[in-house]
Amino acid sequence: QQQVKQSPQSLIVQKGGISIINCAYENTAFDYFPWYQQFPGKGPALLIAIRPDVSEKKEGRFTISFNKSAKQFSLHIMDSQPGDSATYFCAASNNFNKFYFGSGTKLNVKP
Amino acid sequence: NAGVTQTPKFRILKIGQSMTLQCTQDMNHNYMYWYRQDPGMGLKLIYYSVGAGITDKGEVPNGYNVSRSTTEDFPLRLELAAPSQTSVYFCASRLTGGGNTIYFGEGSWLTVV
Repeated sequence: QQQVKQSPQSLIVQKGGISIINCAYENTAFDYFPWYQQFPGKGPALLIAIRPDVSEKKEGRFTISFNKSAKQFSLHIMDSQPGDSATYFCAASNNFNKFYFGSGTKLNVKP
Repeated sequence: NAGVTQTPKFRILKIGQSMTLQCTQDMNHNYMYWYRQDPGMGLKLIYYSVGAGITDKGEVPNGYNVSRSTTEDFPLRLELAAPSQTSVYFCASRLTGGGNTIYFGEGSWLTVV
């Protein structure tokens, strides 16, 4: 059973456009929602994270929107750049013991 | 500061063989994790450890074993390798209260033929 469902599987965006990746979860005990970025041949690295007591968190061009009632959260990449081309994973955790990851979204930003 | 180091980077195993993936971290993190990454499936937790001497199963532990004799090392053992274990394996670590960031190694590509 997939604890965190992520969509789309792949995404093509023009340079300067907005990239949006969505995730949904069922377990209401989850209390920490990070996003990880992975470049080919490398391990994932933390990009941005949010706790459920806020509805939005912004760091530079990256924003997490969080909808607690809908049990959904999304990553928005504003002014997408070719250097943002990577695979993005959402994740969720309960008490930070186990982290459950989504299936990943491969983003390709066209120049 | 090396972070999380995994060896080997690449390995080809024959069906039925055994091997150990090594993982060491130099950040004095108490939590350590082993994940496998399959195309379109994301990262699945195999085993994790909250500290030396303590390990627990994750989502997909069958066919694997771990040990945690020191804070720094968390080896993953594959017994009787099967084609279904062909995957990319990531070791990771985290410090309780350290911002909750998981730090990943660069991965070990394993093919079972």
